[in-house]
Amino acid sequence: DAKTTQPPSMDCAEGRAANLPCNHSTISGNEYVYWYRQIHSQGPQYIIHGLKNNETNEMASLIITEDRKSSTLILPHATLRDTAVYYCIESGTYKYIFGTGTRLKVLA
Amino acid sequence: SAVISQKPSRDICQRGTSLTIQCQVDSQVTMMFWYRQQPGQSLTLIATANQGSEATYESGFVIDKFPISRPNLTFSTLTVSNMSPEDSSIYLCSVVREPQGTQYFGPGTRLLVL
Repeated sequence: DAKTTQPPSMDCAEGRAANLPCNHSTISGNEYVYWYRQIHSQGPQYIIHGLKNNETNEMASLIITEDRKSSTLILPHATLRDTAVYYCIESGTYKYIFGTGTRLKVLA
Repeated sequence: SAVISQKPSRDICQRGTSLTIQCQVDSQVTMMFWYRQQPGQSLTLIATANQGSEATYESGFVIDKFPISRPNLTFSTLTVSNMSPEDSSIYLCSVVREPQGTQYFGPGTRLLVL
């Protein structure tokens, strides 16, 4: 079973920030949090990952709580092309267990 | 990132037949994986493709049904044997790019079994 829990769906207005939460309350000290997205049955696309510090790249920001039990992926200015299923994964061994993810719909 | 290709991109097969899916990476990688994504579902790990030794299968997946080859560090194949309609899925390979440790996925092979 997946070790992370995410809301099944979210809507976001185009141009606004999309904040996608993830709970990973059983994460252990050497496990990273990874975020991927899958656009209409294409292969999942890597977005960002982190261990305990907040991270930012050209696609998104990742905010990890101090106790590491949850995180939030932030897409700062969502576009229609960001409509996808977003997966949060915790892993320390390269083996990924995918949950059901969050289906993000960006609305015009 | 990594450039990963899969062949075929899609296929329609008859039950009882077998299909071999190829995964090619643009550079040498240590770790390669095979996943299945059934219609409307999330991804499930089938096995780790090990170079020079037998693949390591996850619970619920067996070598007789999903034989895997890994002849070198840039290539792997997954065969779906004796297919039934329940095998209709998207099959994806992935590789680990080090030192970041992140996985990159191929575009997937869409299989429909009639």
